[in-house]
Amino acid sequence: DAGITQSPRYKITETGRQVTLMCHQTWSHSYMFWYRQDLGHGLRLIYYSAAADITDKGEVPDGYVVSRSKTENFPLTLESATRSQTSVYFCASRVEGDSPLHFGNGTRLTVT
Amino acid sequence: AQSVTQLDSQVPVFEEAPVELRCNYSSSVSVYLFWYVQYPNQGLQLLLKYLSGSTLVKGINGFEAEFNKSQTSFHLRKPSVHISDTAEYFCAVSALSGGYNKLIFGAGTRLAVHP
Repeated sequence: DAGITQSPRYKITETGRQVTLMCHQTWSHSYMFWYRQDLGHGLRLIYYSAAADITDKGEVPDGYVVSRSKTENFPLTLESATRSQTSVYFCASRVEGDSPLHFGNGTRLTVT
Repeated sequence: AQSVTQLDSQVPVFEEAPVELRCNYSSSVSVYLFWYVQYPNQGLQLLLKYLSGSTLVKGINGFEAEFNKSQTSFHLRKPSVHISDTAEYFCAVSALSGGYNKLIFGAGTRLAVHP
């Protein structure tokens, strides 16, 4: 089915480990985004990408790395996980500028 | 810089009662406004959007919102809620920043509909 898929849905990792969250979309949308959702903060933008090989920082990029070698994939890597990165992570995509975002179902990450 | 304030973190309401979820934004430029809904363990879905034109916008599931430029508000309303409307609702503003339309979300309002 067409859409935006995140994997894994749930992940538990230890402090200091590297972990990668995957995001795949089948629409060929130009823009892709990573948000984290925390109680009381709503959604905060971590990184976004306007096209393949073009990425930029959002509001809270520290501790995260992204890449976009293909239009359909936008993985998010935590190079050395910390407990403060325990959160629900959402990937989203949009066609262009002012079109609505389409969200994946999220990845719940727990860092112990 | 743009910002979004959702004035109520939680709104309890009885089934079939009307509801209003409040949203105020700040921006020095023209904006686009959105309401998203999030059901448990799911991503966000678009409820409605304001880009231009009529200030009263109708969305899915019987929701509507009114854009008020002078009060910089975009409140969400429904005349009669159902149990199935229980969810978290996010207001968002999109404005050109750094060369692209940046979407800023409010902290969310949890709507709890009781029988």
